[in-house]
Amino acid sequence: AQTVTQSQPEMSVQEAETVTLSCTYDTSESNYYLFWYKQPPSRQMILVIRQEAYKQQNATENRFSVNFQKAAKSFSLKISDSQLGDTAMYFCAFGPGNADGLTFGKGTHLIIQP
Amino acid sequence: DAGVTQSPTHLIKTRGQHVTLRCSPISGHKSVSWYQQVLGQGPQFIFQYYEKEERGRGNFPDRFSARQFPNYSSELNVNALLLGDSALYLCASSFLSPHEQFFGPGTRLTVL
Repeated sequence: AQTVTQSQPEMSVQEAETVTLSCTYDTSESNYYLFWYKQPPSRQMILVIRQEAYKQQNATENRFSVNFQKAAKSFSLKISDSQLGDTAMYFCAFGPGNADGLTFGKGTHLIIQP
Repeated sequence: DAGVTQSPTHLIKTRGQHVTLRCSPISGHKSVSWYQQVLGQGPQFIFQYYEKEERGRGNFPDRFSARQFPNYSSELNVNALLLGDSALYLCASSFLSPHEQFFGPGTRLTVL
């Protein structure tokens, strides 16, 4: 069974700062995917970024990038130039390579202060 | 294009009752997954259906069941409701399996 650990229950930064959210996972699988999802107070879960384990290059989506360290089983999310709209719960998730059932961490509540 | 839709938005039931939650995936998506999100926690995987067949099941009791219809919509059924079943139930769809999943707004179930 897979486990996903997010060790930061809550983080708070000033607008325009850069923030990094941590995530570690444990698995015996060699083919898998990793995701970061954002859940604003409106509760709709939104995909932020996705990383395939077989790709060495770190994924990037505009202000969002990841640092994927496969050997260390670490998958952190960096948000650059943070904005008030980035305030939300952020969940790290593991997806096996052969099915859709995701394993989520407990989440990090990110607060962007004006 | 419409996103994933779920109905109802909110639901209040009493212990021992049965509930049916519904999900319509994004048009063209063939995979539907269900998750339970208890307040303050990350979602927990319940079921995945792909092309109307069960592809995965999480660690939930047999009181939980689901099915997928020919139009790829899905129902989640929960029998003999317990107080601990109170949660946000999320549905997610994807075009292929495995693939990135798109979530619906959820159904908030309260069991009294």
